[in-house]
Amino acid sequence: SQQGEEDPQALSIQEGENATMNCSYKTSINNLQWYRQNSGRGLVHLILIRSNEREKHSGRLRVTLDTSKKSSSLLITASRAADTASYFCATDVTGNQFYFGTGTSLTVIP
Amino acid sequence: DAGVIQSPRHEVTEMGQEVTLRCKPISGHNSLFWYRQTMMRGLELLIYFNNNVPIDDSGMPEDRFSAKMPNASFSTLKIQPSEPRDSAVYFCASSSGTSGRESSYEQYFGPGTRLTVT
Repeated sequence: SQQGEEDPQALSIQEGENATMNCSYKTSINNLQWYRQNSGRGLVHLILIRSNEREKHSGRLRVTLDTSKKSSSLLITASRAADTASYFCATDVTGNQFYFGTGTSLTVIP
Repeated sequence: DAGVIQSPRHEVTEMGQEVTLRCKPISGHNSLFWYRQTMMRGLELLIYFNNNVPIDDSGMPEDRFSAKMPNASFSTLKIQPSEPRDSAVYFCASSSGTSGRESSYEQYFGPGTRLTVT
C-alpha cells in the first residue's frame, strides 16, 4: 500500500490566497519530501524535511512535520496561477527509496 | 546538464508486443528509479538501481517487466508481452544518494513516457 496520502485530493483557491495541503504516512521515516507535478510533466522537488526537524521554509513554501502524528503539511503563501499543479509528498523509509502519496491537485484561479 | 532524458516520449503499441523504454540519468548520479503513474494507483516505484545494481525490484508487477542498467548512463525498462493494463506514464528519476539510511537526496525526474497499449 502507498506510504503517504495527501489531503485534500483537490483544492481550488483564488490567486493571492494561501494553500494548505496535508500528508499522512504510516511508518517511521528518515525524511519527507514534497514534489510538484505540472500537467504532462515529471515531478519537481520542492523541499525536504528531516525526521528531526519540525518546520522548514523555502521562499513561499512552509513545511511542517509532526512525527508523533505521522503527518506533514505544505503551505504555499500568496498563491499564484503558476502554482497550479499536483503536489505529492514522498516518504523515505529505507534510505534513498521513496514512497509517493496520491497527490493534491491545486488550482489557483487568477 | 540536460536533466534526465527519457525516450520515447509517447509509445502506442498493440497488446502482445514488446515495449522498451529508455532512460539516461543525470551524469554523476548513482541511483536510478523507475516509476509508473496511473490515475487509479498513483505513482508506484517499480525498481531502483544503485551503482548500476538493482537494489529493490519488489514493485515490478510481474515477470513481463524487466529492467536493466548496463552502465551508469543508461537504463531500460522492458515489457514483454505488453497488455492494455500496462498503459500508464512511466517515469525515470535519478539521484546522487547512496543506499543506506544516512543519505537521502532529492530525485530528478525525466519527462516520462506515455505508454498506450491497445
